[in-house]
Order: sequence, then C-alpha cells, then structure tokens
Amino acid sequence: EAGVTQFPSHSVIEKGQTVTLRCDPISGHDNLYWYRRVMGKEIKFLLHFVKESKQDESGMPNNRFLAERTGGTYSTLKVQPAELEDSGVYFCASSQDRGGELFFGEGSRLTVL
Amino acid sequence: AQSVSQHNHHVILSEAASLELGCNYSYGGTVNLFWYVQYPGQHLQLLLKYFSGDPLVKGIKGFEAEFIKSKFSFNLRKPSVQWSDTAEYFCASFGKTDSGYSTLTFGKGTMLLVSP
Repeated sequence: EAGVTQFPSHSVIEKGQTVTLRCDPISGHDNLYWYRRVMGKEIKFLLHFVKESKQDESGMPNNRFLAERTGGTYSTLKVQPAELEDSGVYFCASSQDRGGELFFGEGSRLTVL
Repeated sequence: AQSVSQHNHHVILSEAASLELGCNYSYGGTVNLFWYVQYPGQHLQLLLKYFSGDPLVKGIKGFEAEFIKSKFSFNLRKPSVQWSDTAEYFCASFGKTDSGYSTLTFGKGTMLLVSP
C-alpha cells in the first residue's frame, strides 16, 4: 500500500514568489493534516481536512497560505507571496480515524531566500 | 489548549546504554498519547501509542512507554539502545487547540545520537 506522498521534496524560491506544495494521502483516508516545522522549533499544526472540507484551519499563519482539497483526494498548500519566515519543512499526514494514528509523508522542505 | 514538553533536546548515549526520554503533557480530558520517530532521511513514523488500558505500552523495536496520569507523563524507554536508534523522537498528544478543535500536538523533539 502506498504511503503519504509529498511533492516537491525540496523547493528553493525567492521572497515574493509563489510555491505550491502537494500531498497525496493514503487511499481511503478522509482525514488530511498539514503541519510545519520551522528550524529549531516544534512541529506545528496548520490545518485539518475531513474529505474536502476544512475542519480546522486555526494553525494557518496568515492569509498568504491557502490550502485546498478538491474532491477530497489530494491536497495543495499554496504560499503566495512567500516570505523568509515561511522557510521550513511542511509535513502532510493522513488518518482513517480522528484521534488515531497519523501517517506522515516525508515532508516538503521550503527555503525562501 | 494542549501542550507537550520534552525534557531533553539532545541526548548522546553509547550502544547498550539504557534510554529514557521524558515527556509531559497538559491535561485536556481524554488523552491519546503518541511517540513518533524520524530516522535520518525518512518520514515520521509511529513508535507506540496509548489510548486507554494498561499504562505500560510496548511499541516497535523494543521501545516502551509508561503513562503516569498523576504526573501527566508519558516517558519513552528502551533498556539497551543500538546505533540504529539514532533519530529524532517526538512525543505528541491528541487534544484541543485554541480553536476548540482537537488535533495532534507535538513536543519540540529530542535528537538521540547513539555512538557505536
């Protein structure tokens, strides 16, 4: 069974540019989460989808971040325009049950110069 | 809101030494607790979890953790570490965020380096 896949694994962009990160969850997992880890800090929750609906987006830093999950399958996280402080590793995770084990992707490392 | 604190950010051990990584969580009603591990170049993966029942939980690769409700702790242990245990370890709890919804909250992580 395929795990959670994320693309790209690493992206280097300049301040002010736009980046879109993609996450393909495990097939059949309705719950999809985005997390971010800024260097030296803890892994922080960004948002949670149940199917195509945003269940909780309280962790999104600001309106430069937009997440979508059209059709309830894969999800994208767009940062526009990117700022220096957006650099970090963006993790996607999926789960079958709320509160159960989360299965993580390998993360997308974003570097904003 | 839930919070998780890990006592050590870096731990260095020799092979065969015993390991204990501390984790404390803030009270938030029903507690689901987890330890995740990230080996170099790999994704986060689950070591073990506690939902209810026996407070001593056994996980993969010889790891175990003990849930002590009175101390709000969920420490990770391994009697004898191996070089291959070199990784970053994260304690996490499933509980309410400031928004009132429940999600997984992580500690800052502990980097374990095991020297051969």
